[in-house]
Amino acid sequence: DIRMTQSPSSLSASVGDRVTIACRASQSISRYLNWYQQKPGKAPKLLIYAASSLQSGVPSRFSGSASGTDFTLTISSLQPEDFATYYCQQTYITPITFGQGTRLEIK
Amino acid sequence: QVQLVESGGGVVQPGGSLRLSCAASGFTFSNPAMHWVRQAPGKGLEWVAVISYDASNINYADSVKGRFTISRDNSKNTLYLQMNSLRAEDTAVYYCAKDRFQYGSGSYCEYWGQGTLVTVSS
Repeated sequence: DIRMTQSPSSLSASVGDRVTIACRASQSISRYLNWYQQKPGKAPKLLIYAASSLQSGVPSRFSGSASGTDFTLTISSLQPEDFATYYCQQTYITPITFGQGTRLEIK
Repeated sequence: QVQLVESGGGVVQPGGSLRLSCAASGFTFSNPAMHWVRQAPGKGLEWVAVISYDASNINYADSVKGRFTISRDNSKNTLYLQMNSLRAEDTAVYYCAKDRFQYGSGSYCEYWGQGTLVTVSS
């Protein structure tokens, strides 16, 4: 199975900060990497698909990039509603796997 | 608008069975693949299973293979998850999710239901 490793596991930041979350795949997954945001008690929400494509309706402060087996989610200027947990997901091959999540907290 | 509504969750004893349903509306249900994803209390997301648009392709996580069965009824716009031989570690919120595509690499879950809680306990 492909293992997805996110870093950091948790992160404290302030409104207006630029934040980067990393996700590394244990083997090549091409660009078949998605990012989701989840708030407490709610279903996950798709932010980015295919490593860098912004899902319709998602603010442009969210962006994704890829380099080999390393992927990055960047939030350019944190807003209060962005404090949540973020997950990466590979869909290159089944079983589909998620990263363990990155909890973004208010500093 | 797309709506996915899960039902069928509840409390079940270890070794028992449960069938979850996911009623879909707001899109042509027979087009996309569908997924089940679960989340144990306080834990991360775990993918459970996927079924292609026509049910010709099905895959499972190793943790549920041989115990869970995903199926769909395109005439009823409904996705199912039959769960047998349930264990304590199956306790989780179960989400159904709509794929963007019919099946295959590069898929992504563009819409999710609100989830249904399954508790396996004696």
